[in-house]
Amino acid sequence: DADVTQTPRNRITKTGKRIMLECSQTKGHDRMYWYRQDPGLGLRLIYYSFDVKDINKGEISDGYSVSRQAQAKFSLSLESAIPNQTALYFCATSDGGSPLHFGNGTRLTVT
Amino acid sequence: AQSVTQLGSHVSVSEGALVLLRCNYSSSVPPYLFWYVQYPNQGLQLLLKYTSAATLVKGINGFEAEFKKSETSFHLTKPSAHMSDAAEYFCAVSGKDSSYKLIFGSGTRLLVRP
Repeated sequence: DADVTQTPRNRITKTGKRIMLECSQTKGHDRMYWYRQDPGLGLRLIYYSFDVKDINKGEISDGYSVSRQAQAKFSLSLESAIPNQTALYFCATSDGGSPLHFGNGTRLTVT
Repeated sequence: AQSVTQLGSHVSVSEGALVLLRCNYSSSVPPYLFWYVQYPNQGLQLLLKYTSAATLVKGINGFEAEFKKSETSFHLTKPSAHMSDAAEYFCAVSGKDSSYKLIFGSGTRLLVRP
């Protein structure tokens, strides 16, 4: 089983819809991150969380929100999806003493 | 502010040839540096990391990278390319505050010709 599981793997939605991407981990890491990947731009940080009560904005948080429901769960929401949010989204974890460990990603298409 | 520049969005080599993927960073203080690899339809996997110990860092799958402070570079090399090395490679930098808020380069796609 994957240490960092993202659901769904693929999602197609329409402009204006609310959508949630979920991430769960079995690594026991306290830190969790959401990144988006766009061709030619690499990965950019959306939000990160050091524990359940600590949520921080990354470089591109506008249009997104997150919820850290438990140490092992970190969800990313798009309140009103728009086409330029079409991207590959990655969740990652760290215990603070190790580099990021990534999930397999969610491919989101907004039409 | 920290940043990473990867020269060449695509690099093509023959099987058995040297692989050289370039990465230059910008940081006001010596940072932590990383190389990740992404295979199709998968997440990113750590190849190697530099955290201010030895300047020559060895990673998985025969890859290594050398930290050169004078050149602000952290280029990734492998003496002999294998077909299975075809993937996208990302260089990343973070501060030493252990937040691991990685700043990624734009990526280099490695093509290996038979």
